[in-house]
Amino acid sequence: TQLLEQSPQFLSIQEGENLTVYCNSSSVFSSLQWYRQEPGEGPVLLVTVVTGGEVKKLKRLTFQFGDARKDSSLHITAAQPGDTGLYLCAGAVYKLSFGAGTTVTVRA
Amino acid sequence: DVKVTQSSRYLVKRTGEKVFLECVQDMDHENMFWYRQDPGLGLRLIYFSYDVKMKEKGDIPEGYSVSREKKERFSLILESASTNQTSMYLCASRRLNQPQHFGDGTRLSIL
Repeated sequence: TQLLEQSPQFLSIQEGENLTVYCNSSSVFSSLQWYRQEPGEGPVLLVTVVTGGEVKKLKRLTFQFGDARKDSSLHITAAQPGDTGLYLCAGAVYKLSFGAGTTVTVRA
Repeated sequence: DVKVTQSSRYLVKRTGEKVFLECVQDMDHENMFWYRQDPGLGLRLIYFSYDVKMKEKGDIPEGYSVSREKKERFSLILESASTNQTSMYLCASRRLNQPQHFGDGTRLSIL
């Protein structure tokens, strides 16, 4: 069983639409990270959130850490084909545990 | 920029072979990690190393071993490769308590 559950597993949307990816757990994390992975490459860190309730924005991407530090969401506004990729969340306790990922496809 | 380099992008081996996957980082990071990535399972930690000559088992160490003789190099060894070890293998490194930086992965096929 995964320590971190991501939903949905797959998401296909049209360019210009918004999307949200969720990352949930019953465990409390000291920090949570979001990565994006493109085909044939390793994951690249997008953001780290540390404080419960924290919201971070990275251009059209908004990341939120739940108040209890057990869950997080990633929201993309006006998605573009360049946002296509596998989005992974990872929570840190004494080591990093990864979710299974959400495959996002943005159609032009 | 941090550079984590994995020696092979694609590798095909036969069952029973001893397989070596090499990873080198150029930023003097203390910690290094080996993961495997399988569809629907995400990244699972095989082994990690806090420092030279130190290693710790991750979540799925069976069938694998590691070597860290120098700080910049972390090797993953499949003692006797089996078909269920066909996977994408990712190496990562980090400075203590900082985010991990990943290599581009090695797609290993065991026939």
